[in-house]
Amino acid sequence: AQKITQTQPGMFVQEKEAVTLDCTYDTSDQSYGLFWYKQPSSGEMIFLIYQGSYDEQNATEGRYSLNFQKARKSANLVISASQLGDSAMYFCAMREYLTGNQFYFGTGTSLTVIP
Amino acid sequence: DTGVSQDPRHKITKRGQNVTFRCDPISEHNRLYWYRQTLGQGPEFLTYFQNEAQLEKSRLLSDRFSAERPKGSFSTLEIQRTEQGDSAMYLCASSATSGQPREANYGYTFGSGTRLTVV
Repeated sequence: AQKITQTQPGMFVQEKEAVTLDCTYDTSDQSYGLFWYKQPSSGEMIFLIYQGSYDEQNATEGRYSLNFQKARKSANLVISASQLGDSAMYFCAMREYLTGNQFYFGTGTSLTVIP
Repeated sequence: DTGVSQDPRHKITKRGQNVTFRCDPISEHNRLYWYRQTLGQGPEFLTYFQNEAQLEKSRLLSDRFSAERPKGSFSTLEIQRTEQGDSAMYLCASSATSGQPREANYGYTFGSGTRLTVV
């Protein structure tokens, strides 16, 4: 079974609008972390936001917020007030703290911001 | 020290040749990771080091692949007898700790990657 599932290969959003990128995860660990990374065409993975499994509040970092629904095992990324520079690939990832040190990544969502 | 550096950025090689990539992590980070990313996929874990010790290896790391971190600073990833299926982006990342419980303070920093093309 896939640890991380991103079902939206590509998304389009109008500049200044909000967009939600979907992510569901699969784990039996109680202690885990969920992350979103942005990968522009240059290739570097840029950390955006983190949510711990025990965090009760949804994480926010500037224009990024993470809609964490633990019972549904979903961790959707919301980008508010989209900018042209937000056009990139976005990856959801998970670390299971009790079983290892690696990240499990989804297949990514390509976001295009339209002027 | 501005981040994780990887060299080269691009490498084109003929099938059967050996290639070596280098990663220079953030100097105060004791953990170093290698990932491979093929087209249209997310990165997949290959291996990780804590200081100079290689503590975990993925099944993806066949016997043609070897990684070293001899002095606990920079790391090299060597692929012997390259195959076309090795064509991918090879990403290096470093971190200071396992990150728990506040990963955001100690998260991974990724390099820009080395893009390998085997022809």
